[in-house]
Amino acid sequence: QVKLQQSGAELVKPGASVKLSCKTSGYTFSTSYMSWFKQIPGQSIEWIGMIYAGDGGTGYNQKFKGKATLTVDTSSSTAYMDLSSLTTEDSAVYFCARPPFDYWGQGVMVTVSS
Amino acid sequence: DIQMTQSPSLLSASVGDRVTLNCKASQNINKNLNWYQQKLGEAPKLLIYYTNNLQTGIPSRFSGSGSGTDYTLTISSLQPEDVATYFCFQYNSGLTFGSGTKLEIK
Repeated sequence: QVKLQQSGAELVKPGASVKLSCKTSGYTFSTSYMSWFKQIPGQSIEWIGMIYAGDGGTGYNQKFKGKATLTVDTSSSTAYMDLSSLTTEDSAVYFCARPPFDYWGQGVMVTVSS
Repeated sequence: DIQMTQSPSLLSASVGDRVTLNCKASQNINKNLNWYQQKLGEAPKLLIYYTNNLQTGIPSRFSGSGSGTDYTLTISSLQPEDVATYFCFQYNSGLTFGSGTKLEIK
C-alpha cells in the first residue's frame, strides 16, 4: 500500500534553515511527482511546489520561490524540502502529497521561535 | 490565480440531516475539483475526485456535483464522525484550496 512518512516536528530559530523529508513506499517513486503544501493551524492549505522524481524538475508557487527548495533521492524513494531564512510566518504544518493528491504524508509541524 | 470561495464557513447540523457545502471558483475549472475532509491534527483525506467520483473506501453518503464555477459536496445523512473541516481543491490551473467549511454537530 502507498505510504508517505514524514520526518518529526522541528523547532528552529529565526534565520535558520530546516530540511523536511517524505519517505515513500508502495509505488514507483522514480517516475512520479511529489507536491508540498503549507497549512497554518486553523487556516487553509497552500501549494508550495512540485518536483518530478524522474529528472528533478521543479515548479514553485511564486510566493515560495526563494523560500522552499525541493529535491529527491530516488535511491531511498524520499522527497525533501528545504526551507530557508525562517521567520515566525513559516511556522506551520507542512505536508507532502502525491499527485493526484490521493495520498498525503501525516504532516510535520515546524515552529520558528527564538 | 484561481480563487476558491467556500460557504458557509461554519455549519452546524443535526445527526441524520442532509448537509450541503458549497465551493465557487473565480473562473471555470472544468470539473477539475476534489473534496477533502480534514480532522483536527490529521492530513486531508480525499473524499471526492473530479467533481463527483467517490474515492475508494469513502461512505456513499458523500457525493459531489457541479460544473463551471460552482460545486457542491453533499452528505446525505450526517454522522457524528463527519465532524471535520471540508476543503475543495482545484487543479485546473495551478493548485488552490478553498477556505474551508467547518462542520459541527448541533
